[in-house]
Amino acid sequence: EVQLLESGGDLVQPGGSLRLSCAASGFSFSSHAMSWVRQAPGKGLEWVSGISGSDGTTYYADSVKGRFTISRDNSKNMLYLQMNSLRAEDTAVYYCAKDLFAARGHWYFDLWGRGTLVIVSS
Amino acid sequence: DIQMTQSPSFVSASIGDKVTITCRASQGISNYLAWYQQRPGKAPNLLIYAASTSQSGVPSRFSGSGSGTDFTLTISSLQPEDFATYFCQQANSLPSITFGQGTRLEIK
Repeated sequence: EVQLLESGGDLVQPGGSLRLSCAASGFSFSSHAMSWVRQAPGKGLEWVSGISGSDGTTYYADSVKGRFTISRDNSKNMLYLQMNSLRAEDTAVYYCAKDLFAARGHWYFDLWGRGTLVIVSS
Repeated sequence: DIQMTQSPSFVSASIGDKVTITCRASQGISNYLAWYQQRPGKAPNLLIYAASTSQSGVPSRFSGSGSGTDFTLTISSLQPEDFATYFCQQANSLPSITFGQGTRLEIK
């Protein structure tokens, strides 16, 4: 089955760290760019970070640059998001999303996971 | 960053109505635009990419158009399952991929 399954969301204190994981199955994971997109409660969608499939080039939104690190393990079909120095405004459901096309990233997202909730609060 | 502005933010319509949602980019993005549908409690679902290309499996009542800064999503005849929130997204400007604020479509 073609799917993405996120895990790792939790309640964490401001300034803390968390690592999200996304397990991919049913498609050629290494061929596709992948992204993390988040949605704060009752709000819209915000792209957080992306990583190319071919050479692992990484991209970040300004709001998380220097605090979050995206990575992937193509041998395990896994995507990760290491989140440090967390702030209250990072509270959101975090979705893992697959790029529509193989090869270079086009940044259209045709497969999404169910999301994992991160709450940053003391 | 490229800002994406959707209008309206909220629309109320009836089954069978035609609905048009617009999305305006703060600068030209060629045709690097996607539309997503999101039902409550669910992940977004890709409807349209490259401004006017329908994703596989999407009903033909959904169509997209536009280029440059102005884009539209049209639902030709609303069905009960179409009542949801719709987002546009520009894919022209890495590393700043941005979404519109969303348009909530509700039953009148």
